[in-house]
Amino acid sequence: QKEVEQDPGPLSVPEGAIVSLNCTYSNSAFQYFMWYRQYSRKGPELLMYTYSSGNKEDGRFTAQVDKSSKYISLFIRDSQPSDSATYLCAMESNAGGTSYGKLTFGQGTILTVHP
Amino acid sequence: EAGVTQSPTHLIKTRGQQATLRCSPISGHTSVYWYQQALGLGLQFLLWYDEGEERNRGNFPPRFSGRQFPNYSSELNVNALELEDSALYLCASSLVGTTNEKLFFGSGTQLSVL
Repeated sequence: QKEVEQDPGPLSVPEGAIVSLNCTYSNSAFQYFMWYRQYSRKGPELLMYTYSSGNKEDGRFTAQVDKSSKYISLFIRDSQPSDSATYLCAMESNAGGTSYGKLTFGQGTILTVHP
Repeated sequence: EAGVTQSPTHLIKTRGQQATLRCSPISGHTSVYWYQQALGLGLQFLLWYDEGEERNRGNFPPRFSGRQFPNYSSELNVNALELEDSALYLCASSLVGTTNEKLFFGSGTQLSVL
């Protein structure tokens, strides 16, 4: 079983739709949760970062973490064609306050927003 | 401000050869990370360098190695190339030796092993 599971999609939605992207994880040591966006032939860029259960909002993006269920989500409101990309969830363990410099990524969800 | 730069953009090798990939972090960043993004496997952690030292490595064989130079740039070497080493190799950098700081990725080196 993979430590982080993410539905690869692909997901296709009309412009203006609300998009929901999800990841589940099995490692209770994960403390930090991130969402990255990766455009074709580019490196991933950090969208959202959180370390506590609950919601965090940044513009059209909302990250949600439920540590009890080991489940994280990213919501995109009023989706735009420019949001078309691969979205990757990532997690980090920081057991005992020590960083291991390692992010564990989901496989990524391919999102297409059509006009 | 220049981002993380990687060279070459594309690299074609044959099985058994050696590949050398290079990375220049953002100015002021001391930590460099290497990830492999193979088709269908997602990003897999390879190596973490900080202040010239290897701090952690992922579950990859010893033929994957690297180093970090005094100017914080880094090199990834892959010896005895195998077909399954074909992947996008991404380098990232951060301010301090923890990924709690924002990780900035380069655009990667696409390695093809024939």
